[in-house]
Amino acid sequence: KAGVTQTPRYLIKTRGQQVTLSCSPISGHRSVSWYQQTPGQGLQFLFEYFSETQRNKGNFPGRFSGRQFSNSRSEMNVSTLELGDSALYLCASNTWTGTGSYNEQFFGPGTRLTVL
Amino acid sequence: AQSVAQPEDQVNVAEGNPLTVKCTYSVSGNPYLFWYVQYPNRGLQFLLKYITGDNLVKGSYGFEAEFNKSQTSFHLKKPSALVSDSALYFCAVRDTNRDDKIIFGKGTRLHILP
Repeated sequence: KAGVTQTPRYLIKTRGQQVTLSCSPISGHRSVSWYQQTPGQGLQFLFEYFSETQRNKGNFPGRFSGRQFSNSRSEMNVSTLELGDSALYLCASNTWTGTGSYNEQFFGPGTRLTVL
Repeated sequence: AQSVAQPEDQVNVAEGNPLTVKCTYSVSGNPYLFWYVQYPNRGLQFLLKYITGDNLVKGSYGFEAEFNKSQTSFHLKKPSALVSDSALYFCAVRDTNRDDKIIFGKGTRLHILP
């Protein structure tokens, strides 16, 4: 079974630009979560999607947005980039075992975004 | 609100010695607890989880963790450290009373000294 794919792996942008990151989850998984990882803040939750619907959202400004397609692939978009957006963006492919049950997460390798 | 704390930014252990990476949590209901490991330039890898049942959970690579409800802790342990265990370790929690997201700690960097 193929793992979680994230593209691109590395990205360099300048302030004010926008960026779109892509994540393809494990086949059969319908839920995807996005995280921002920085040395100072650790992993911070961005959003979670299940069957094209956003189920949860973290405390990030509206410049951060996401969506999920019918094939479960997900994209996140950051508009008007700031220097502080430089981070590793991780996507997780989630499994669910019934209503209210835990989810197990399988992480992709991440996209390293550098904002200059 | 749920939260998770890893009080140590870095832990140094000599190879062959036991290791402990600490984690405490706060949730309103019962917790689901997780440990993940991250090696350089790679994503997170799942180590183990506590959902219910036995307080001692065994996971990958010889790691185990003990759920302590009274102390709201879920410390990661290994009886004998290997140099290859050197990595960044994350504790995570989800509140089962809420249909909520998984929250991660800030991570603890583990250095195993040869």
